[in-house]
Amino acid sequence: DSGVTQTPKHLITATGQRVTLRCSPRSGDLSVYWYQQSLDQGLQFLIQYYNGEERAKGNILERFSAQQFPDLHSELNLSSLELGDSALYFCASSPRAGGEDTQYFGPGTRLTVL
Amino acid sequence: DQQVKQNSPSLSVQEGRISILNCDYTNSMFDYFLWYKKYPAEGPTFLISISSIKDKNEDGRFTVFLNKSAKHLSLHIVPSQPGDSAVYFCAASAWNYGQNFVFGPGTRLSVLP
Repeated sequence: DSGVTQTPKHLITATGQRVTLRCSPRSGDLSVYWYQQSLDQGLQFLIQYYNGEERAKGNILERFSAQQFPDLHSELNLSSLELGDSALYFCASSPRAGGEDTQYFGPGTRLTVL
Repeated sequence: DQQVKQNSPSLSVQEGRISILNCDYTNSMFDYFLWYKKYPAEGPTFLISISSIKDKNEDGRFTVFLNKSAKHLSLHIVPSQPGDSAVYFCAASAWNYGQNFVFGPGTRLSVLP
């Protein structure tokens, strides 16, 4: 158990809908990262928050947004969903802003868009 | 354009033998590399890392080798155990240049009893 929790575990929705994925980092970790893993693909970095502020942005679509709250949990919002958004979404946390920090991953949320 | 490549989607090794997983990268700014292991239905877990100032890092049965001139790193597992069967991801970052972690597509290792 990495100490990172993600809810829900599974999510099934329809095209055009909006969903929110939630992540609670390990106790004491200030950074939260979001990744997308599509079928047979590697992990694609989406976005990082550090202590409530956006720290780094990767291949995140404009339809997607995220935030980190004062209690350091984070939410990833996916809107106008398309079939291609079906994927595993992982959240990870690390103690500091990054660099040589090890990232601890949650178990993921499997999103299926029908 | 994949900056981190793992050209072998899968690898099978006999228990007790050496497993060698390879990773190539294209961005010469990468200065920190990690290997993660992932079991089905779980998130990736950190295995071992190496900084670009080193060419080898060892932790128990796991050793990572870095060849900067070839932009190549490899993970050696000796001896391989059935519990090592998982997907292994190579990741690289160039944090000082604003490049967050880039992951390879993974290699599925099967250790046969």
